[in-house]
Amino acid sequence: KNQVEQSPQSLIILEGKNCTLQCNYTVSPFSNLRWYKQDTGRGPVSLTIMTFSENTKSNGRYTATLDADTKQSSLHITASQLSDSASYICVVSEANAGGTSYGKLTFGQGTILTVHP
Amino acid sequence: EPEVTQTPSHQVTQMGQEVILRCVPISNHLYFYWYRQILGQKVEFLVSFYNNEISEKSEIFDDQFSVERPDGSNFTLKIRSTKLEDSAMYFCASSVFSYNEQFFGPGTRLTVL
Repeated sequence: KNQVEQSPQSLIILEGKNCTLQCNYTVSPFSNLRWYKQDTGRGPVSLTIMTFSENTKSNGRYTATLDADTKQSSLHITASQLSDSASYICVVSEANAGGTSYGKLTFGQGTILTVHP
Repeated sequence: EPEVTQTPSHQVTQMGQEVILRCVPISNHLYFYWYRQILGQKVEFLVSFYNNEISEKSEIFDDQFSVERPDGSNFTLKIRSTKLEDSAMYFCASSVFSYNEQFFGPGTRLTVL
């Protein structure tokens, strides 16, 4: 069964500090891996999308890495801000027989990040 | 900036009743999706829709569920006979192509009593 596992489940850091969130997946066949940010009661917002050929991708203070061989990804947040407090979700898209994505996404449970002043 | 909109924001219904959740995807997007998130749990894929037909659906999306694009702008999810376990936040999403970034709406919280 396709699964996406994230660690840690929750994380508390001080404003201005960096942090790294981890993701392991077993989704196959693999199309791409996405990181989303979800504020409480809101819809997820995309941060990055990476295909198997991409090792790293940045979006401002967010940097995602992907190791398609070990099926691991990480999201690094630098110089955290209070507004970074949210759930960060690792999401993997399956490939269809043609190698592209159906768009069917498998979500992880998310890491709840709390940034304290 | 274009965004996905959903109505209503909160729907309360009695068990066994039919509900229709509505979404307006971003106008130039071709792929549409429904997801649900039970309180405290992960987001789950329900269905993807392209070219006026379902392209993929999950095991959750049984005969009680249906989707429709009744006109050029709306995308709806119908639950024919709601059950208590259908209580969840339902998110609509859209993308240009299936491999692109999916943009999510704010969600409809469905409460089945």
